[in-house]
Amino acid sequence: QVTLKESGPAMVKPTQTLTLTCTFSGFSLSTNEMRVSWIRQPPGKALEWLARIDWDDDKFYSTSLKTRLTISKDPSKNQVVLTLTDLDPVDTATYYCARSGLGLTDYFDYWGQGALVTVSS
Amino acid sequence: AIQLTQSPSSLSASVGDRVTITCRASQGISSALAWYQQKPGKAPKLLIYDASSLESGVPSRFSGSGSGTDFTLTISSLQPEDFVTYYCQQFNGFPLTFGQGTRLEIK
Repeated sequence: QVTLKESGPAMVKPTQTLTLTCTFSGFSLSTNEMRVSWIRQPPGKALEWLARIDWDDDKFYSTSLKTRLTISKDPSKNQVVLTLTDLDPVDTATYYCARSGLGLTDYFDYWGQGALVTVSS
Repeated sequence: AIQLTQSPSSLSASVGDRVTITCRASQGISSALAWYQQKPGKAPKLLIYDASSLESGVPSRFSGSGSGTDFTLTISSLQPEDFVTYYCQQFNGFPLTFGQGTRLEIK
């Protein structure tokens, strides 16, 4: 079955860089149409899409955050990595990775459990 | 960016009620809309995709409709486990965007 799991630091300091890893199973990012996105949710707030990487290494970013975001993949390890630079307390959120791509569409049929990241000095 | 506005932001209802949540897009998105349910402390769960297609395993009391700019999620007979938060999401264009959420509360 399809599973995804996020990993990374629970707390980071302002101005530092956050690196999160999504490790997945049950599908391959080398398979046509498969895509993995990162989505975040500040405490008590709505969901915000951040970035997407495709099976063919195409990458897409949030307009407001694209100067701070980098997404990459390692298909051999079934992993997708997200980096977010120059952190601020407003970046405190639960970060999710999720799969999309069925029928070349972008609804998310499988999600990780989420990783809470707190930005604080 | 395409903005999605959900209404209402919160809704009080009783077990057995029929409820409808609306999602309005700032521009036409064809049928490229999904609905998710999120329980406290959990990841969102896909309910509806392509505006009206029921995800496998989701109870048939959930249904979606609409196209263009106006969409609805209907729960035909509320069950106790349905009193959580619901989000719409458009996938017609980048950046992908979500609505602000609708919290369903027990009356």
